[in-house]
Amino acid sequence: DAGVIQSPRHEVTEMGQEVTLRCKPISGHNSLFWYRQTMMRGLELLIYFNNNVPIDDSGMPEDRFSAKMPNASFSTLKIQPSEPRDSAVYFCASRVRGNEQFFGPGTRLTVL
Amino acid sequence: GENVEQHPSTLSVQEGDSAVIKCTYSDSASNYFPWYKQELGKRPQLIIDIRSNVGEKKDQRIAVTLNKTAKHFSLHITETQPEDSAVYFCAASEGGFKTIFGAGTRLFVKA
Repeated sequence: DAGVIQSPRHEVTEMGQEVTLRCKPISGHNSLFWYRQTMMRGLELLIYFNNNVPIDDSGMPEDRFSAKMPNASFSTLKIQPSEPRDSAVYFCASRVRGNEQFFGPGTRLTVL
Repeated sequence: GENVEQHPSTLSVQEGDSAVIKCTYSDSASNYFPWYKQELGKRPQLIIDIRSNVGEKKDQRIAVTLNKTAKHFSLHITETQPEDSAVYFCAASEGGFKTIFGAGTRLFVKA
C-alpha cells in the first residue's frame, strides 16, 4: 500500500485565489482527518469523516474552508478565498476506527 | 470538551540520558493513547501506543505508562541518541472517531 497520498505537495498562491488540497486515504480505512500545522498553533484538527460522512467540523476556522469526501478513496479541502494567514502545512490522515492514524506527507501551502 | 495537556514544551538532554514527556487528558472515556514522532519537515509517525487495559508497554528504548485513575500517561526514552531529536505528540482517543493531540514536545539530544 502506498500510504496516504496528498497532492499537491507544495502550493504557492496569491491572496484571494481558491486552493484545493487533495487526499487519498489508505484503502480499507473508514476514518479520514484533515489537520493544519503551524509553529504558532501546533497541530489543529480541522474536520474528520467517518464512512465518508463529516462527523465534526468544529475545527474549521471559518466559512472560507470547506471539505468533502465524495467516496471512500478521495477527499478535498478547499479554501476560497485564501489569505496569507492560511499559510501552513496541511496533513490528511486516515485510520481504521480505534487504531493509529496514518498521516500523509502533507501539503505546504504558502499564500502571498 | 476533551483536552490533552503535554509537558514540557521543550526538553534538552545529553546523549545517553533518559527523557520523559508527560500528558494529561480530561475525557475519562478515553481508552487509546498513541505517541507520534515528527522529524523536521516530515509527517507525524506512530512510535508506540497503549490501551486502557494496560498500565505499561515497552518497545526497546521506548516505554509508555498509563495511570487511568489520575488520567495521565508518559513517554520514557532511555539511552537517548541524536536521532531521537524530534517533536513528540501524545494523543488520546475514546476509540470512536476523534483523536485529541497534545501541543507537542520538542526534544533535543545533545551529542
